[in-house]
Amino acid sequence: DTGVSQNPRHKITKRGQNVTFRCDPISEHNRLYWYRQTLGQGPEFLTYFQNEAQLEKSRLLSDRFSAERPKGSFSTLEIQRTEQGDSAMYLCASSLLGGKNIQYFGAGTRLSVL
Amino acid sequence: ELKVEQNPLFLSMQEGKNYTIYCNYSTTSDRLYWYRQDPGKSLESLFVLLSNGAVKQEGRLMASLDTKARLSTLHITAAVHDLSATYFCAVDDKIIFGKGTRLHILP
Repeated sequence: DTGVSQNPRHKITKRGQNVTFRCDPISEHNRLYWYRQTLGQGPEFLTYFQNEAQLEKSRLLSDRFSAERPKGSFSTLEIQRTEQGDSAMYLCASSLLGGKNIQYFGAGTRLSVL
Repeated sequence: ELKVEQNPLFLSMQEGKNYTIYCNYSTTSDRLYWYRQDPGKSLESLFVLLSNGAVKQEGRLMASLDTKARLSTLHITAAVHDLSATYFCAVDDKIIFGKGTRLHILP
């Protein structure tokens, strides 16, 4: 399967714990995006990378959130000191800059904070 | 700040009928996307519209773009149950999404 892969698919954690999610993009894609989606809403942009550089972070993104993309390949999204309001589906997408720049989405990681 | 508004947010329709979903956005944008999401699944790209007057069609779905009006439409022709899903429009490279239109097609 050469699509976008996200792990884990589900994560249940207690409030105050740290969690880390991983995204493996389509191999030749140089852009990688993180979104958050809550029930009944559209995906909300969090941050994106072009190669290894993090080019933009949403103003809504708390300091407890950090993302990395070492070597411009896979990316990790870490949430520190989780809160119940962090419960959501975290989606990763990748694209090839230029042309249509279509984003291909992974299946997501569903986070439940108890 | 770029805003994307879709209407209707919910749509229940009979098989065989035609309907249109509307997507308005607040500032100029180079491209507009339509995505489909099935319950519990991720998003699937349907169309990318890159210029004023662009029209794309795939099966019973047709999308169009009017950049002057900042409006895109997704037209459904002779709906079938398999088209039941949530449809999102989105604009800009960072992809600002609308809230989605939950389409339910009754057999």
